Amino acid sequence: TQLLEQSPQFLSIQEGENLTVYCNSSSVFSSLQWYRQEPGEGPVLLVTVVTGGEVKKLKRLTFQFGDARKDSSLHITAAQPGDTGLYLCAGADSNSGYALNFGKGTSLLVTP
Amino acid sequence: DSGVTQTPKHLITATGQRVTLRCSPRSGDLSVYWYQQSLDQGLQFLIQYYNGEERAKGNILERFSAQQFPDLHSELNLSSLELGDSALYFCASSVEGVGANVLTFGAGSRLTVL
Repeated sequence: TQLLEQSPQFLSIQEGENLTVYCNSSSVFSSLQWYRQEPGEGPVLLVTVVTGGEVKKLKRLTFQFGDARKDSSLHITAAQPGDTGLYLCAGADSNSGYALNFGKGTSLLVTP
Repeated sequence: DSGVTQTPKHLITATGQRVTLRCSPRSGDLSVYWYQQSLDQGLQFLIQYYNGEERAKGNILERFSAQQFPDLHSELNLSSLELGDSALYFCASSVEGVGANVLTFGAGSRLTVL
């Protein structure tokens, strides 16, 4: 069972465009994490959101945790080719023994 | 360099064989996690160890086993390999073993079963 559903699966945009990717679940999470993975490398943590309704900004990236702590979104403003990668959300709950479960990710391609 | 070291980086073997993947966690981290990543299934949690003891188990097949040694490095053993076991295997580490921790991933071991 995939606890975390991410959409869209694939996204191809041009440099300078804005985009939003989503991470949804029927489960409540104490926190959600976002990672970015580049080809040939392991995922790297971008941010952790903990409080329902929380908004965190990391330069051009804005992360939001849903009020009910079941979903999250990542918005990128003025995307750049360096933003290309696989964006993964991850959460843990008591059913998984608190090990992180990942969504399948959104594969983003930003072309010049 | 994340500080998590995985070997080998690439491995090609035949069906029915057995392989061992090795992971050295980041200095100071007590927890080690193993994940399998494939195109269709995404990143799947296999198993977690904390300070030598198994802490949590995910979708790990009976043909797979793991352990964490006193020096905290970990090994993932895959036996009776099948074509479908071809995937990227990631090790990650974290400081603590309870609650949703921040994971530091290694670069992965790419396993190809022919």
